[in-house]
Formats: sequence, structure tokens, C-alpha cells
Amino acid sequence: QSALTQPASVSGSPGQSITISCTGTSSDVGGYNFVSWYQQHPGKAPKLMIYDVSDRPSGVSNRFSGSKSGNTASLTISGLQAEDEADYYCSSYTRSNTWVFGGGTKLTVL
Amino acid sequence: QITLKESGPTLVKPTQTLTLTCTFSGFSLSTTGVGVGWIRQPPGKGLEWLALIYWDDDERHSPSLKSRLTITKDTSKRQVVLTMTNMDPVDTATYYCARNGGRGFDPWGQGTLVTVSS
Repeated sequence: QSALTQPASVSGSPGQSITISCTGTSSDVGGYNFVSWYQQHPGKAPKLMIYDVSDRPSGVSNRFSGSKSGNTASLTISGLQAEDEADYYCSSYTRSNTWVFGGGTKLTVL
Repeated sequence: QITLKESGPTLVKPTQTLTLTCTFSGFSLSTTGVGVGWIRQPPGKGLEWLALIYWDDDERHSPSLKSRLTITKDTSKRQVVLTMTNMDPVDTATYYCARNGGRGFDPWGQGTLVTVSS
């Protein structure tokens, strides 16, 4: 299975909105609503931010939202804050009953 | 509160077998729908899913590493063990375990850095 495709980096100014894409195939992202997103700050373990494409775990800011269209899922962060600067990874369940991650996107808050 | 913690050697030699233990608390691996997975991250690189074991002993492995991986659980000890054979320097990474309850991987352990070097 190949890793899901994410842009290497995105950036935005405080208060702006950014969107990170995650492209897979009909065998993973497009075939299941089991896409999740993780935030990872340097030296820290990843943290679940979005699950099942668009649901937020308790305690995660509503500035984070997820969506999916076809084989591409997206994470949108609105009202960008300095603390949002981190690496973001998408993940999807696959037709092989396994899981796959994206290559990761570095978010820079200008 | 759910917590997980990885333990094992920090240094292994090439060709050796790596054994990592994930000790967890705050949930049971006998609960329907619950699993524990392993994910690794080479220094400066992205996440790679390795394996996952479910409450019913169903095991899933990364296709690219399947021949080298074994995952087992001890429900009473609240532990999940991952073994990886024939270690190579490219396997140098931080290895994480995480709970999977059907909502993605949450939470994650702190991770343990394993270096493969002679």
C-alpha cells in the first residue's frame, strides 16, 4: 500500500484559514469514511484531531474541521493561531483491512 | 484516563530481533471493537503504520513488513508485544503504540526511540 499524498508544507498568517489535502485511492480514502487527522508538535507524540472524516474528539477546538470528496480528504484550520504550528498527518482505513498514513504536512504560522 | 507506554531496547544490532512492549491502562483489550496498534517514525520523517491487534485476536500487519512482524496481546497483563525480525539501520525510528477504538488512533504512548547499529 502506498502512503497517502499530502503537501509537504503549508503556511498562513494568524487569523487566516488553511486547508491541508490528503489524496488516496478508492481502496482507502475514497472507499471508507475512516479518515483521521493527527497533529504532532516537535518531540511529542501525535494527537488525534479529527476522526471518521469530520468528527472531533472531545476537547479539540472547533477551529479544526474535516471533509472528504472522492479520494481526497481535507483538514481545515480556521482562525489560525501560533500554537497550531505543527506537523499534520492524515490516515485512512484500507480495503486490505489495514491502515495507512500520509507523508505529513508542516504547517507554518507566519 | 487512558495511558499507554512503550518499553524495550534502545539499541539493537543489525539482523537482531526487536521486541517492544506496550503497557496500557484505562481500558480493556477484551472490550468489543478495541485494538492496540504500533506506528513508527524514523528521525525527521513521517509516520508508518506497522500492525494492530484487536480484542478478538484478529491481527493486521503492514503488507510491506508482514513477514517480519508479530503482534500479540496479554489481556490480563494489559500488554501488547510487537516483535520485528532481521532489524536493519533503516528501521531506526521512534516506535509508538496507540489505542484504536474505531475512531482512529487515540491516545498514543510517548514513543520509544530504537537505534539499529553495530
